Amino acid sequence: GAVVSQHPSRVICKSGTSVKIECRSLDFQATTMFWYRQFPKKSLMLMATSNEGSKATYEQGVEKDKFLINHASLTLSTLTVTSAHPEDSSFYICSATPLTSGYQETQYFGPGTRLLVL
Amino acid sequence: RKEVEQDPGPFNVPEGATVAFNCTYSNSASQSFFWYRQDCRKEPKLLMSVYSSGNEDGRFTAQLNRASQYISLLIRDSKLSDSATYLCVVNQEGGTGTASKLTFGTGTRLQVTL
Repeated sequence: GAVVSQHPSRVICKSGTSVKIECRSLDFQATTMFWYRQFPKKSLMLMATSNEGSKATYEQGVEKDKFLINHASLTLSTLTVTSAHPEDSSFYICSATPLTSGYQETQYFGPGTRLLVL
Repeated sequence: RKEVEQDPGPFNVPEGATVAFNCTYSNSASQSFFWYRQDCRKEPKLLMSVYSSGNEDGRFTAQLNRASQYISLLIRDSKLSDSATYLCVVNQEGGTGTASKLTFGTGTRLQVTL
């Protein structure tokens, strides 16, 4: 159980285009989904916290107009990288916390999406 | 100071060896602690939670020292399949109405060799 999928797994796009990444919890409902970015040999950095039916909370330094997050249901969150540039090339990973999590909220990670902007 | 600090390694050890990783965290209000494993170009996977009393899962033992803000992971009888990056992760509880957040260390790379 507790499977999280991401689509696409990898994408190559031209500079200036927008890319949408989907994150789905397949066998549970998620109150909260998180979006992370990881550059080579670096740690995962939290970009934003996404709650179903409300606006996402962005971490300091993350542009909300550039990284649009929509959490339309308890099983789906999307991240759209708008007007992508080469410096946005990275590994984007989502995670989800089940509705029934206890005190230590377990986050289940998706397999990640590798974005390359040319 | 980084919120979660780890020695990046790499640690190169022979099969069967015992290896220990350390991690320190800066926020004394942190509530829960984990070790994740990340294979190359893959997502992190939860290895184990870390409790104040220390906990063991097979060949893996995790310890937490809240006073020193220090977490450790011990791997006994290393296997080739243990080769990966081990991420120290700290969970800061959110305030009222906000979710808690995970903060990741940069990871310690382990390479187990024949």
